[in-house]
Amino acid sequence: DVKVTQSSRYLVKRTGEKVFLECVQDMDHENMFWYRQDPGLGLRLIYFSYDVKMKEKGDIPEGYSVSREKKERFSLILESASTNQTSMYLCASSFWVGELFFGEGSRLTVL
Amino acid sequence: GQQLNQSPQSMFIQEGEDVSMNCTSSSIFNTWLWYKQDPGEGPVLLIALYKAGELTSNGRLTAQFGITRKDSFLNISASIPSDVGIYFCAGQLPQGGSEKLVFGKGMKLTVNP
Repeated sequence: DVKVTQSSRYLVKRTGEKVFLECVQDMDHENMFWYRQDPGLGLRLIYFSYDVKMKEKGDIPEGYSVSREKKERFSLILESASTNQTSMYLCASSFWVGELFFGEGSRLTVL
Repeated sequence: GQQLNQSPQSMFIQEGEDVSMNCTSSSIFNTWLWYKQDPGEGPVLLIALYKAGELTSNGRLTAQFGITRKDSFLNISASIPSDVGIYFCAGQLPQGGSEKLVFGKGMKLTVNP
């Protein structure tokens, strides 16, 4: 069974804190993605990676960075969390174009 | 940017009824995907469509890739309470990989037992 695992289902952080969201996939997929999901706005792509050490900006990269040191792991970093980053964060991976497999999501609240 | 119009935005139905939803766009897509998201969970892929005109079934689900490549529909037959959730369509633009997926805003389905 394919599996994308996000390290934290729920997090509460304070404004200005550094936040790490971890994602691991066990399908040997080349491609990994980070989205955020907000009511009324749908899914928006933050960053993606097609290979180890490689990263590309998505549609809303401001305030975020990523790290891909190993093929199976893709981390999303909020250097200084702000209240407008309160959201559901979804990690996904794919073997080839199209079929994304999503993790369970990480719901982040920034106070 | 590219947009997918997904309709309806929500539906309230009785158990046993059929459900239809669709996504349309002014853009052409190479692939159509349909996802379901349960409350508090990540989306799960239901059906993938790769060719214009393709009709694919997965149990009580049937989806079609529109012949113009600008639309797709999903039908759920004989709904059951566990069908509750949000259904998303996603279309892949011709240029690029999975980063070129465009998502609909979702349709929230409620099934009354």
